[in-house]
Parts: sequence; C-alpha cells; structure tokens
Amino acid sequence: DVKVTQSSRYLVKRTGEKVFLECVQDMDHENMFWYRQDPGLGLRLIYFSYDVKMKEKGDIPEGYSVSREKKERFSLILESASTNQTSMYLCASSLRAARGNYGYTFGSGTRLTVV
Amino acid sequence: AQSVTQLDSHVSVSEGTPVLLRCNYSSSYSPSLFWYVQHPNKGLQLLLKYTSAATLVKGINGFEAEFKKSETSFHLTKPSAHMSDAAEYFCVVSFPSGSARQLTFGSGTQLTVLP
Repeated sequence: DVKVTQSSRYLVKRTGEKVFLECVQDMDHENMFWYRQDPGLGLRLIYFSYDVKMKEKGDIPEGYSVSREKKERFSLILESASTNQTSMYLCASSLRAARGNYGYTFGSGTRLTVV
Repeated sequence: AQSVTQLDSHVSVSEGTPVLLRCNYSSSYSPSLFWYVQHPNKGLQLLLKYTSAATLVKGINGFEAEFKKSETSFHLTKPSAHMSDAAEYFCVVSFPSGSARQLTFGSGTQLTVLP
C-alpha cells in the first residue's frame, strides 16, 4: 500500500524553539506539499516542492521554511516556533500535473502544540 | 482564479436518511473536482474525483457526486447515511494542468450522523 508517512503524530514544543516536521513518501511522486489545517479555515498551503531542491511558497509561508534534499523526503521547518503556529500539519504528495490529475495522497498529520 | 465554496459548515442527518453536502466552484478552465473525507485524527482520504469524463461520479462507501457545469456545482450525496460516515468532508478544485500547485480546498463540512 502506498504511503505518505509523517514522523510524529503529536508534538509539544516551546515558544522560540526550532521545529522540524518530517514527511516521507514511497510512491516516487514528484510533487510534495505542506498544509496546515485549522478549524473553520480548511487547509491552507504553506509550501510545496515540484522537484528535489525546488520549492515554492504557498499562501501562508511566513514563519516557515522547507527542505527537499531527496525526492522522497520533504521537511517543514519552523524557524522560531510561536503559539499561533499551534495547528494540525498535513503533508501530501502527487504525481507531476502533466502525468494526469490523480489528486493527492495525504499523511495522517502532525498535531503541533506550541506552549 | 480558482475557488471553491462549501455552502454548509455543519450538516446533521439521522442514520439511514440521505446525505447532501453542497459545493460550488469557480474556475476559468474546465476543472477537475474532488471530494476528500477526514475522520477524526486522521489524514485526508480521496472519496471520488471528476476529471471531465462522466458527469455522475461514483466513489467509495456509497458516495457519489454530480458535476453540473451550468450550476458550477459538485454536490456530494449518499442515499443512506451510516454512523461511520460522521467525518469532515472537503470539496477540492484543481488548477489547470502544468501547475504543481494543483489543488484549492473548500473550508470543509462537518457531517454528524444521529442514531
């Protein structure tokens, strides 16, 4: 069964800490995405990557950065965690658009609490 | 620009009665449309997708959706609700092919199923 795996299910971090959220997919997908999900706001795109070492900002990139050194791994970095970054974070992957629109495969999410 | 509106933030039905979750979209192009479901503390799972083939699309767990271009709608239905259908549902529209930033999410509809 194909998978997108997020390394942590729950995380609690302190304000000001540097936080790493890891995501790995085993489907050889070109595209990978990081979303945050908040009640009443749906999913909002933070960053995405369409190839190794390539990245583009989504709708809410402030306070975040990303790293994609290998095709299967896409990391989200909170440079200095703040309480307003408390949220559910979802990773997703997909085939390149030109190869057909099959939708995304999502990980199970990481619920981050910043105290 | 692409956008998607889920008309109800909460829907409550009794077990065994029909389910209707409403979605309208705006797109300058012929869209691809998706419905995803998210059970509590889980990632998003693809229910069904429309990609310009048959306008009535059948998905998993007895759900289906009808693409109506004249109404710019893609409502999700199920003839008989089951307790296990209680979840949050997201309607999603796709950007045109060639863009890695493929999907725009609605804000979600929380479905409650009463015994």
